[in-house]
Amino acid sequence: AQTVTQSQPEMSVQEAETVTLSCTYDTSENNYYLFWYKQPPSRQMILVIRQEAYKQQNATENRFSVNFQKAAKSFSLKISDSQLGDTAMYLCAFGGYGGSQGNLIFGKGTKLSVKP
Amino acid sequence: EADIYQTPRYLVIGTGKKITLECSQTMGHDKMYWYQQDPGMELHLIHYSYGVNSTEKGDLSSESTVSRIRTEHFPLTLESARPSHTSQYLCATSLAGDYNEQFFGPGTRLTVL
Repeated sequence: AQTVTQSQPEMSVQEAETVTLSCTYDTSENNYYLFWYKQPPSRQMILVIRQEAYKQQNATENRFSVNFQKAAKSFSLKISDSQLGDTAMYLCAFGGYGGSQGNLIFGKGTKLSVKP
Repeated sequence: EADIYQTPRYLVIGTGKKITLECSQTMGHDKMYWYQQDPGMELHLIHYSYGVNSTEKGDLSSESTVSRIRTEHFPLTLESARPSHTSQYLCATSLAGDYNEQFFGPGTRLTVL
């Protein structure tokens, strides 16, 4: 069965600095999808970035980028020029084809605090 | 505008009451989900649906039930609320097919006294 591990329950970063959140996963599949979701305090969860495993190029969305290492099964999220509005819970999710009925598998999340 | 709506947003209720949490969507998505999440904690999938008249149990056992009579609606019901049901309940939708991006509603924060 696939698993998603986020080893950093909490992190903090100073405003304007860069922070990297880690995510590792376990799968025997070759084609799959990976996602980072952002859940601000008391606000709606939104998708930050998405990576398709067959694409070697790392996905980028403005200040958010990923470091996708397929062989190492690692999918970290880098936030550049951190802003106070980046304070949120960040959840890594895996979407593959085995054993999860087409559903995403979420990690436990990393709570990020951006300090002024 | 395409969106996902959850009502009520907050609910405080006594033990033993029957409650229904509403989820409706104008996303045009076939697949819908219910997650349970304690504050600051991980998501647990409790129910999902592929479409009308389809309901499946998720990874976390739950005493709640769901129905899907209309594509747009996916209500969750607790027949007899207990303090252990206190949590946040998130509704989500996605396109049919595997591993598509899920879109989330604002959530219902339930407190059972």
